[in-house]
Amino acid sequence: SQTIHQWPATLVQPVGSPLSLECTVEGTSNPNLYWYRQAAGRGLQLLFYSVGIGQISSEVPQNLSASRPQDRQFILSSKKLLLSDSGFYLCAWSITGTDNSPLHFGNGTRLTVT
Amino acid sequence: AQTVTQSQPEMSVQEAETVTLSCTYDTSESDYYLFWYKQPPSRQMILVIRQEAYKQQNATENRFSVNFQKAAKSFSLKISDSQLGDAAMYFCAYRRGNDYKLSFGAGTTVTVRA
Repeated sequence: SQTIHQWPATLVQPVGSPLSLECTVEGTSNPNLYWYRQAAGRGLQLLFYSVGIGQISSEVPQNLSASRPQDRQFILSSKKLLLSDSGFYLCAWSITGTDNSPLHFGNGTRLTVT
Repeated sequence: AQTVTQSQPEMSVQEAETVTLSCTYDTSESDYYLFWYKQPPSRQMILVIRQEAYKQQNATENRFSVNFQKAAKSFSLKISDSQLGDAAMYFCAYRRGNDYKLSFGAGTTVTVRA
């Protein structure tokens, strides 16, 4: 069966510090991968998605970047965090080539920028 | 761009009773997919139910069912025989056919009264 791992679960970082959130998927090949951000009490905003190694699409201009160094690894990064980067970050995957494939989410990372 | 609207920020239901959550979406596409996700206090995103736009029959998953009105672009979720474990935030989501991205509504918080 497929599993998705996302870490860390919580993170407190000062403004101006770098960020690296990691996500890995097991049990499937060539998944579509996604990073979403959820502000407190709000819906999910798509930040990045990837359909293959090295292929990253950005949905929202911002202080963040994403990379996919391996087939089942997706990394969210920032060189210098802003206060507005605080939020709940969710990684997700879906099956390639299946339109009705739902997204399967990790447990999320709560990021607080101080 | 597709827009998903959930007009009810909060809903309350008595245990064992039924509650209906509304969702409308804006699209010019004929091929698309709709989903309901549940986010309990643990913040894990859990797929509740999915609906293919080409299917006229409403999807059902145990106590969860949808009322899909394609012409009205409406996709409501009915939770029957509500249980305390149903308390969560519920998100409606839209995905265009042949697209990778899932767009979410702002969510509805469901409270279940014992």
